[in-house]
Amino acid sequence: EIVLTQSPGTLSLSPGERATLSCRASQSVTSSYLAWYQQKPGQAPRLLIYGASSRATGIPDRFSGGGSGTDFTLTISRLEPEDFAVYYCQQYGGSPLFTFGPGTTVDIK
Amino acid sequence: QVQLQESGPGLVKPSETLSLTCAVSDGSINSRSYYWGWIRQPPGKGLEWIGTIYYSGSTYYNPSLKSRVAISVDTSKNQFSLKLSSVTAADTAVYSCARHPASLYYMDVWGKGTTVTVSS
Repeated sequence: EIVLTQSPGTLSLSPGERATLSCRASQSVTSSYLAWYQQKPGQAPRLLIYGASSRATGIPDRFSGGGSGTDFTLTISRLEPEDFAVYYCQQYGGSPLFTFGPGTTVDIK
Repeated sequence: QVQLQESGPGLVKPSETLSLTCAVSDGSINSRSYYWGWIRQPPGKGLEWIGTIYYSGSTYYNPSLKSRVAISVDTSKNQFSLKLSSVTAADTAVYSCARHPASLYYMDVWGKGTTVTVSS
């Protein structure tokens, strides 16, 4: 099983600041197979990034993804009030076919 | 934009079978372009993939649940279903259905989720 670890667990920032979230895999993940989601309380997850760096439809360009191998990042260039949420990374491949990281909470400082 | 809506009992007794349906609207489940999956999230915990189905009926299951899970598709009703047998309190979770693109690598559309509690 490919285990994903996300850090930090919680990121406390102010609107306008830059957020950098990390996702580390227990073994190498093909970049095409790494995605990021945003989840707000009481809502379903929303796809932000797929293929490690491709923004999903309608996602603002302040969200960007990068990385390769076992280390991936999600960057929010300037936090907007609506960006405070929980962020999950997800990988495809291996067994089970999909696994998720435990999430990083971005909250208001 | 396609929409997914989960439905089913919110309360299931231990040892019984959990049954949920995901209705697909504004889009066809009978498409070669997509797969359809189930994911759950226990209270206060992270996301766990349960399984995925193609319109043809081909299925992929999480090995940790495979012995208890069955996912089926009903193209005539444009919906797919989840059955999880022999449930325990550990199966209490928000259950969400989702769509995968043909590449299968991620989930691009999600239902809002439905809470299922396992309790006598």
